[in-house]
Amino acid sequence: DTEVTQTPKHLVMGMTNKKSLKCEQHMGHRAMYWYKQKAKKPPELMFVYSYEKLSINESVPSRFSPECPNSSLLNLHLHALQPEDSALYLCASSQETTAHEQFFGPGTRLTVL
Amino acid sequence: GQNIDQPTEMTATEGAIVQINCTYQTSGFNGLFWYQQHAGEAPTFLSYNVLDGLEEKGRFSSFLSRSKGYSYLLLKELQMKDSASYLCAVRDSGGYQKVTFGTGTKLQVIP
Repeated sequence: DTEVTQTPKHLVMGMTNKKSLKCEQHMGHRAMYWYKQKAKKPPELMFVYSYEKLSINESVPSRFSPECPNSSLLNLHLHALQPEDSALYLCASSQETTAHEQFFGPGTRLTVL
Repeated sequence: GQNIDQPTEMTATEGAIVQINCTYQTSGFNGLFWYQQHAGEAPTFLSYNVLDGLEEKGRFSSFLSRSKGYSYLLLKELQMKDSASYLCAVRDSGGYQKVTFGTGTKLQVIP
């Protein structure tokens, strides 16, 4: 298994909703990432987990809450989002944070109404 | 921090060769990546350079000059399916090894 999977593929939510994005990999990678990508912009790093510990939080608002329950799973909990949070949310993984390649999942297209 | 510059758009002809440049200014450097991203899809890894020189992989080659803060991606024998955005990304040398992406170059291949 050489892929990163993400669910759901699309998500529409209101500003008062609570939802979660899920990411899974079975490549034995010990580093996992959340990126946010707006249209026609590059991916922007949000969080990095290394060996299931949060190692980077790029000043992301607290309405985004990451969780790494085990080495294969990464969640992003969403609460009280704003319309400007609408974007493609990409999960990625790599062998370690120093690896030569990050493998990206297909992303979750999030729309906040 | 990292400051990464790439041309916004390029157009090239099917079968030709195109070179996409990337310049960067960084407080610490531990490698440069090139990714390809088709519209609406996730980025896919193309190449990684950490030492000066040319890395070749099939129709794609990537070059790095650390002293000049400069890299290029060379695509040969262009195909229509190569129409995509090409993202240059630089990794920090700090403890967290953060990767920062450039704004990307949108390449259009025309017949």
